[in-house]
Amino acid sequence: ETGVTQTPRHLVMGMTNKKSLKCEQHLGHNAMYWYKQSAKKPLELMFVYNFKEQTENNSVPSRFSPECPNSSHLFLHLHTLQPEDSALYLCASSQERGAGLDTQYFGPGTRLTVL
Amino acid sequence: GDSVTQMEGPVTLSEEAFLTINCTYTATGYPSLFWYVQYPGEGLQLLLKATKADDKGSNKGFEATYRKETTSFHLEKGSVQVSDSAVYFCALSDASAGGTSYGKLTFGQGTILTVHP
Repeated sequence: ETGVTQTPRHLVMGMTNKKSLKCEQHLGHNAMYWYKQSAKKPLELMFVYNFKEQTENNSVPSRFSPECPNSSHLFLHLHTLQPEDSALYLCASSQERGAGLDTQYFGPGTRLTVL
Repeated sequence: GDSVTQMEGPVTLSEEAFLTINCTYTATGYPSLFWYVQYPGEGLQLLLKATKADDKGSNKGFEATYRKETTSFHLEKGSVQVSDSAVYFCALSDASAGGTSYGKLTFGQGTILTVHP
């Protein structure tokens, strides 16, 4: 495996379900990110983890709960979602260099549909 | 706050045509600038980047020059192919701003490019 992988690639869930998205990076990076990509809207940063510590929560509703057990794995736990949460959820990783975080590398995304 | 504005699409071209996708930005510090490409059904791939003024990023025949005086980072390709059909995103990372901007990418809305044979 190389790069950034995400599972599942597609997920359909009801509003009362609980599910989790998984992201794994094989690049030796120490920062990981969750983004939401909705139709006709710019990519929205949701969460940032740097060395397993959450450094940014971009005003995301509590029905989205991230977890970063180590620098290679990132989860997004989902519960009681709304239909407007249907989107492509992208994971990314980067390596901190000097004064800032370097180029971000993205996974293929999980296409989520909430019924 | 930081922002990125891309030309509205969709852009439709014939194969071997010249491509320009405009991108302008506003930032409080000295950002790095990126172009990402998203092919159908896939995630974003880094296409090219530039980290300081007058730098030129290039990859796969695409080029973009960091113009501080016009706050622009326009994407160009001299001869497009059908395989270039994708969504192109301009983005900036203003790590110099510190605080919560650290490591944050700000994206434009994306430009859909369709190239016909």
